[in-house]
Amino acid sequence: DQQVKQNSPSLSVQEGRISILNCDYTNSMFDYFLWYKKYPAEGPTFLISISSIKDKNEDGRFTVFLNKSAKHLSLHIVPSQPGDSAVYFCAAKKGLKQGGSEKLVFGKGTKLTVNP
Amino acid sequence: KAGVTQTPRYLIKTRGQQVTLSCSPISGHRSVSWYQQTPGQGLQFLFEYFSETQRNKGNFPGRFSGRQFSNSRSEMNVSTLELGDSALYLCASSPDVANYGYTFGSGTRLTVV
Repeated sequence: DQQVKQNSPSLSVQEGRISILNCDYTNSMFDYFLWYKKYPAEGPTFLISISSIKDKNEDGRFTVFLNKSAKHLSLHIVPSQPGDSAVYFCAAKKGLKQGGSEKLVFGKGTKLTVNP
Repeated sequence: KAGVTQTPRYLIKTRGQQVTLSCSPISGHRSVSWYQQTPGQGLQFLFEYFSETQRNKGNFPGRFSGRQFSNSRSEMNVSTLELGDSALYLCASSPDVANYGYTFGSGTRLTVV
């Protein structure tokens, strides 16, 4: 059962334009969401996160939006740069009150290619 | 500040053998988690350790085991290797259980032939 889904395996955008990566989840017990970026042969690098009590979190060119009622979150990258080309993973975790721990549940990733 | 260190980076083993992978967390980090990454399944949770105790375990067979030492270093062991165990094994550390600051290592690429 895939609790975190990234339905687009790949996305291609032009440099300077907006990249929108989407993620859906099914478990309503998740209360914290993270985005990671991964280059080949390297470990994932944390990008940005959002708590379920918020609907938006912004950090420079990166903004994450959370729609709890739709169980959907998205990562916006504006403007996109060629160096942003990587695989992006969405991850979720339960809060400690919901019996959570450090376990992250990951989506399968979306490969973003930013063309110069 | 040194990051999460995983050794070895690459490993080739034969079916039926066993393997031990090592992870040294960032100094001061007490929580260590392990993940398996495969092309078809993405990143899947293996275990989580905090203060030498396993707090959570993923849906993997008993051939996969782990432990954490008093200095927070962690090892995972896979016995009776199968071809399907070929994957990138990633370790992540964070300061404590309630902290969301996960830092991943570069992983160990295991190939089973």
